[in-house]
Amino acid sequence: DQQVKQNSPSLSVQEGRISILNCDYTNSMFDYFLWYKKYPAEGPTFLISISSIKDKNEDGRFTVFLNKSAKHLSLHIVPSQPGDSAVYFCAASFNRDDKIIFGKGTRLHILP
Amino acid sequence: SQTIHQWPATLVQPVGSPLSLECTVEGTSNPNLYWYRQAAGRGLQLLFYSVGIGQISSEVPQNLSASRPQDRQFILSSKKLLLSDSGFYLCAWSVRGYGYTFGSGTRLTVV
Repeated sequence: DQQVKQNSPSLSVQEGRISILNCDYTNSMFDYFLWYKKYPAEGPTFLISISSIKDKNEDGRFTVFLNKSAKHLSLHIVPSQPGDSAVYFCAASFNRDDKIIFGKGTRLHILP
Repeated sequence: SQTIHQWPATLVQPVGSPLSLECTVEGTSNPNLYWYRQAAGRGLQLLFYSVGIGQISSEVPQNLSASRPQDRQFILSSKKLLLSDSGFYLCAWSVRGYGYTFGSGTRLTVV
């Protein structure tokens, strides 16, 4: 039973445009949501997070939006850059100290 | 500063052979430690986590086991590897409220 779902295995976006990565979750008890970025043969690195009490968190080019009623979150990258090409994992936990449950990931390709 | 070491980076093992992957953390005390596996089309699957020495929780039934003999050491083992154990294994640590830091991973190929 997959609690965190990323239904798009891959996404291609033109350099300079907006990349939007989507994520759905099933458990309304999740309290904390995160996005990780992963390059091949490396461990994931933390990108941005959001608490369930917020609906938006912004950090430079990255913004995460949370819609609790729809159990949906999204990551916006503006403008997209070549170095953004990677696999992006959506993740959730029941609190900031708890184990994190990851989605299957979305591979983002930034096209020149 | 906190660092996490995971080795080896790549490993090719025959079916039926034993496995031992080690992960150590520096610069922090009493971290939570985790083993994840990334298999083709499966995302990041949590295998084991530990909140202290000798305390191991298993998330999925499998051919693997984990141990935490010291506060900052986490070991993933198998007595007999299966083909399905192939994948990219990641160790991670967290300290209260600071999220995860992942190691660089081990690519295991069982042949």
